[in-house]
Amino acid sequence: DTGVSQDPRHKITKRGQNVTFRCDPISEHNRLYWYRQTLGQGPEFLTYFQNEAQLEKSRLLSDRFSAERPKGSFSTLEIQRTEQGDSAMYLCASSLWETGTYEQYFGPGTRLTVT
Amino acid sequence: AQRVTQPEKLLSVFKGAPVELKCNYSYSGSPELFWYVQYSRQRLQLLLRHISRESIKGFTADLNKGETSFHLKKPFAQEEDSAMYYCALLRAGNMLTFGGGTRLMVKP
Repeated sequence: DTGVSQDPRHKITKRGQNVTFRCDPISEHNRLYWYRQTLGQGPEFLTYFQNEAQLEKSRLLSDRFSAERPKGSFSTLEIQRTEQGDSAMYLCASSLWETGTYEQYFGPGTRLTVT
Repeated sequence: AQRVTQPEKLLSVFKGAPVELKCNYSYSGSPELFWYVQYSRQRLQLLLRHISRESIKGFTADLNKGETSFHLKKPFAQEEDSAMYYCALLRAGNMLTFGGGTRLMVKP
């Protein structure tokens, strides 16, 4: 296990198309997070899972966005009817939630370009 | 609402000079603060956390609750320190709120 992986690394799509990204966390990690990062900004929280349960969603996550983690392992983030404003780097992170453990391990990200 | 501010987008210093990357936060609870670093073509990684009070790669950061600051410092910058640095605040649910980042450039 070499860490958090994300697929694809780059995605170019036309406005109005649907896209889906995948994140594979570190195998024993029970928490998984999605962040979005636009140019010149820090990452912004989108949503997170503990095992298969989605526990919180940011107001940034419009109805066009949906995330799943069906078996408590990998997660998918789908964007429907993409818009140019969705162009960003989508980061996934995972952590082992135990008392006093806070470190999140980040994946390399998926860069989305909507034309 | 929680917020993290990094006032400098870019900080450029010469090798061997001291470095201070500023971070200010607003948070109503007891803050847990972190510095993350992203080297060129690498993923975001944790540099240090305030609760451990450790020095990593010569960097230290002290939480000042009175000034609501968590500045990152290093007495002598090295070229390999050149990277993007993000200050982050942990809130309920283990979610991170990041600042906008500061690019550190260490010139030879």
